[in-house]
Order: sequence, then C-alpha cells, then structure tokens
Amino acid sequence: DTEVTQTPKHLVMGMTNKKSLKCEQHMGHRAMYWYKQKAKKPPELMFVYSYEKLSINESVPSRFSPECPNSSLLNLHLHALQPEDSALYLCASSQEGQGYGYTFGSGTRLTVV
Amino acid sequence: AQSVTQPDIHITVSEGASLELRCNYSYGATPYLFWYVQSPGQGLQLLLKYFSGDTLVQGIKGFEAEFKRSQSSFNLRKPSVHWSDAAEYFCAVVERGATNKLIFGTGTLLAVQP
Repeated sequence: DTEVTQTPKHLVMGMTNKKSLKCEQHMGHRAMYWYKQKAKKPPELMFVYSYEKLSINESVPSRFSPECPNSSLLNLHLHALQPEDSALYLCASSQEGQGYGYTFGSGTRLTVV
Repeated sequence: AQSVTQPDIHITVSEGASLELRCNYSYGATPYLFWYVQSPGQGLQLLLKYFSGDTLVQGIKGFEAEFKRSQSSFNLRKPSVHWSDAAEYFCAVVERGATNKLIFGTGTLLAVQP
C-alpha cells in the first residue's frame, strides 16, 4: 500500500458545525502532516506529527485541532470555521528523518458557508 | 531560511514541444529537492527527487531534472510535452531536521496548446 487516503473528498459545513477530516496511511511512515492550500497557491504547512506527537504547529488558529490516534491515522477536527478557511486540505506522510519526500493524499475540498 | 523560487508563474507550450520549468533554491548545505505535479482539484504527485550523486535525475512520465549547485537551480525538463501534462508544477526543498518540513515554491502553471 503506497497511498495516503483522505476522507471525505468534499465537505460543506456551516460556521457553527463541527466536522473532522481523516487521513490514513499504511506505509509505516512515522511523520504525518496537514497542509492547507488556497486556490492558485502552494500548500502551506499547518501541523506536523512525528511518532504520533505534535512537533510543529504553524500558528494555526485553535478552531483547527489535529489528532494522531495511532501511527497510521491523522485527524483534523474543525469547529467554528470561517468562510476564509475554505480550501483544499492535504494530508501527507514521510519516512521520518530520511527526507525521501512526502506522499500526499488527494485532499479534502472544504467549503465553509 | 530555506526558500524556493519559481520565476515563471504561467507557461504555455505546444504539444510535442520541449519544456523547461525553472527552480532556484536557497539552502546552505546540499539540498533535498523535489518536483511535484498537481492536476486541478487533486493532490500532489511526486515527479522526481534529488538527494546526492548523479545531478541528472530521471522521474516519472518522462520528466527529468538537473541539479546545478553553481547556479542553485533544479530545473525540470521534458523533451516532448503531451496534452495531459497540463497542470501546476511545484518545486520544493526539505528543511532538514527532526520533521523534514517541505518548503514549496509558488508554482508554475503549464498550459499545453494543441
């Protein structure tokens, strides 16, 4: 299995809703990442988990809450989002410490209404 | 801090023509460099990567890239472009450390004319 699987592919949520994005990989990668990508822009790093521990939070607002329940799974919990949070959310994983490059999922297209 | 520059925001080439996408990096040591491609609404697919050794790197889909330390460049090339190559291309460098943070360039949007 050489894939990163993200669900759902599309999500529309209201500003008062609570939702979660899910990311799963079975490549044995020990680093997992959340990126946010606005239209016509490069991905921007949000969070890094290394060995299931949060190692980087790029000053992301608290309405985004990451969780890494185990080495294969990464969640992003969403609460009280704003319309400007609408974007493509990408999950990625990599072999820790090797720099072999990231494997990206196909993303979740989030629309906040 | 490490950075990546892609000078061309948008490039249009004719199908069958050759392609070169430019990438310049700023990094103190030998960089780990990558090219990714993204089709509309999709995730990023790794085309190729450079860590060390041979400076000409072969990738998937007929792409290659050449690492030139003297010019701090890692340009992507393809001898004959296909219509399906139309996409956004990102050059990236790994900020090496405990978490291997990936730093992207701003991207180059490739359009292919029939």
